[in-house]
Amino acid sequence: QSALTQPPSASGSPGQSVTISCTGTSNDVGGYNYVSWYQQHPGKAPKLIIYEVNKRPSGVPDRFSGSKSGNTASLTVSGLQGEDEADYFCNSYVSRNNFVFGTGTKVTVL
Amino acid sequence: QVQLQEWGPGLVKPSQTLSLTCTVSGGSISSGGYYWSWIRQHPEKGLEWIGYIYYSGNTYYSPSLESRVIMSVDTSKNLFSLKLNSVTAADTAVYYCARTGLLTGYRFDFWGQGALVTVSS
Repeated sequence: QSALTQPPSASGSPGQSVTISCTGTSNDVGGYNYVSWYQQHPGKAPKLIIYEVNKRPSGVPDRFSGSKSGNTASLTVSGLQGEDEADYFCNSYVSRNNFVFGTGTKVTVL
Repeated sequence: QVQLQEWGPGLVKPSQTLSLTCTVSGGSISSGGYYWSWIRQHPEKGLEWIGYIYYSGNTYYSPSLESRVIMSVDTSKNLFSLKLNSVTAADTAVYYCARTGLLTGYRFDFWGQGALVTVSS
């Protein structure tokens, strides 16, 4: 199972928006609405920010939103803040109880 | 609030077995509805799902690792464990345990802080 493809980096100024793509296949992203996104600050564990493509857990700001079209999922961070500078990983359920993560994207707030 | 914590040796010799345990607090492993996952992250790299276990003992492993992985659960102690045998330097990583919601979108919603395991002689 190959990792989902994400751009290595993305950046934006405070207050701007940044969108990160996560491309898979019809066997993972395109086949299930079980795409989740995780934020990871240096030296910390990943934190769930989006699940089931576009749902936010309690406590996650509505600046974070998710979507999906075909085999590509996307995470948008609106109104960028300094604390949003982190690595972001997507994840998708794959058939027969298997999961695949994305390659990760480093978001820089300029 | 569910909390998870990994523990185990931080250094393992090549060809030996890596063993880690994850203690769960703030919730019961036996409550059902959740699988309990192991996920690893190689240095400066992405995340890799290793597998998960249900409180009943049912397990599912990543196809790429299933020949070397064994997971177990101890509901009386509210913990679950990972064994990875025949390790090489490529198994050096930070290992995380995480709760996986089956009825809530297959999401990894609570994570341990991670345990760095280095494979070296």
